Amino acid sequence: DGGITQSPKYLFRKEGQNVTLSCEQNLNHDAMYWYRQDPGQGLRLIYYSQIVNDFQKGDIAEGYSVSREKKESFPLTVTSAQKNPTAFYLCASSIGPGAYGANVLTFGAGSRLTVL
Amino acid sequence: DQQVKQNSPSLSVQEGRISILNCDYTNSMFDYFLWYKKYPAEGPTFLISISSIKDKNEDGRFTVFLNKSAKHLSLHIVPSQPGDSAVYFCAASGGGTNSGYALNFGKGTSLLVTP
Repeated sequence: DGGITQSPKYLFRKEGQNVTLSCEQNLNHDAMYWYRQDPGQGLRLIYYSQIVNDFQKGDIAEGYSVSREKKESFPLTVTSAQKNPTAFYLCASSIGPGAYGANVLTFGAGSRLTVL
Repeated sequence: DQQVKQNSPSLSVQEGRISILNCDYTNSMFDYFLWYKKYPAEGPTFLISISSIKDKNEDGRFTVFLNKSAKHLSLHIVPSQPGDSAVYFCAASGGGTNSGYALNFGKGTSLLVTP
């Protein structure tokens, strides 16, 4: 059964600590994305990657970092430089550019990060 | 700068009636529009989409209408069911410009369908 797995579902972090959120997909999708959701807000794009070993900043990339060493995996690191990291983080993927359905993103179940 | 706007944070509809959720956008480069449904503490799930070359797309109880000149789209749910109660996000993409196929989302409309 194909899908996107995000872990952990809940994560607590002390101020000043880096934390890495995992995102794995078995949909054979080329593109992957990280979004952040805050209460009463829409989803805001943090980073995206269209192919392995390449990624681009989204609208709110400051304080975050990513890597794309494998097609299936797109981990997000929330660094201590992120001033307000408490949020719900969503990973998504889509078929590569130019393919039918490239605009449709499939989302994981999300990870909730709370900074204590 | 919010390029996709959902101006109604919430909507309450009786079961069996029509639900109409509205969305406006400002970027004329957007050429593909989607609606997602989201339950609390879960990821959004894709509902229906429409390309800018169309003005209507229908899938069962769900219909999306697009008015390009007004930069406005709407989602109609007929008949509404209690299970439709969720937050609905409108999203748009520019077909590969700037941020690839990443979607721009509105802030969502919380729909409550009452028995």
